[in-house]
Amino acid sequence: NAGVTQTPKFQVLKTGQSMTLQCAQDMNHNSMYWYRQDPGMGLRLIYYSASEGTTDKGEVPNGYNVSRLNKREFSLRLESAAPSQTSVYFCASSEWANEHQPQHFGDGTRLSIL
Amino acid sequence: QQQVKQSPQSLIVQKGGISIINCAYENTAFDYFPWYQQFPGKGPALLIAIRPDVSEKKEGRFTISFNKSAKQFSLHIMDSQPGDSATYFCAASKDNNNDMRFGAGTRLTVKP
Repeated sequence: NAGVTQTPKFQVLKTGQSMTLQCAQDMNHNSMYWYRQDPGMGLRLIYYSASEGTTDKGEVPNGYNVSRLNKREFSLRLESAAPSQTSVYFCASSEWANEHQPQHFGDGTRLSIL
Repeated sequence: QQQVKQSPQSLIVQKGGISIINCAYENTAFDYFPWYQQFPGKGPALLIAIRPDVSEKKEGRFTISFNKSAKQFSLHIMDSQPGDSATYFCAASKDNNNDMRFGAGTRLTVKP
């Protein structure tokens, strides 16, 4: 049982390049989330998808786009990467977004932008 | 500004000792307070959570103490073990997972 799988695990980009981070969950969860983790900042929500077919902005959405491809997959896209987007990105899922359902996290994508 | 303030940033405890991590919040609308544990190279995992209608919740060696009037909550790890060495995050949310606010994290090292 893989849980939440993120690809790639590591990536180095140059400023201005674009890339898509992939996330898939096999727990039949309805809600999925993208966070970024920076030293001294904890985790901050970028975008979330409460259910298949919906996406909404979180706390720090600027510079990112998302796609809920199907119930299993939720991708995060950086259209024009900037050094400020160097971070560790985590995808998470929960059965539902409401009622404080536990979130299950992937192991992260470590992204460096030069 | 960070809505949940966590301290200390790092903590070193001897095996068998008690580890205590503290968090404070401002938004009185928060009604759910989880703690996450994160090992190096892994994602956070839910450890224990509490709602403000109780002052304490215990699961094994892990206890959350909650002080609603002071807007503070803390994690106590009894009989700390080297395997508990990890980064711990407190968090708070008011309605659902979409507005979860995390503390900055505490790196715990338990020395054998």
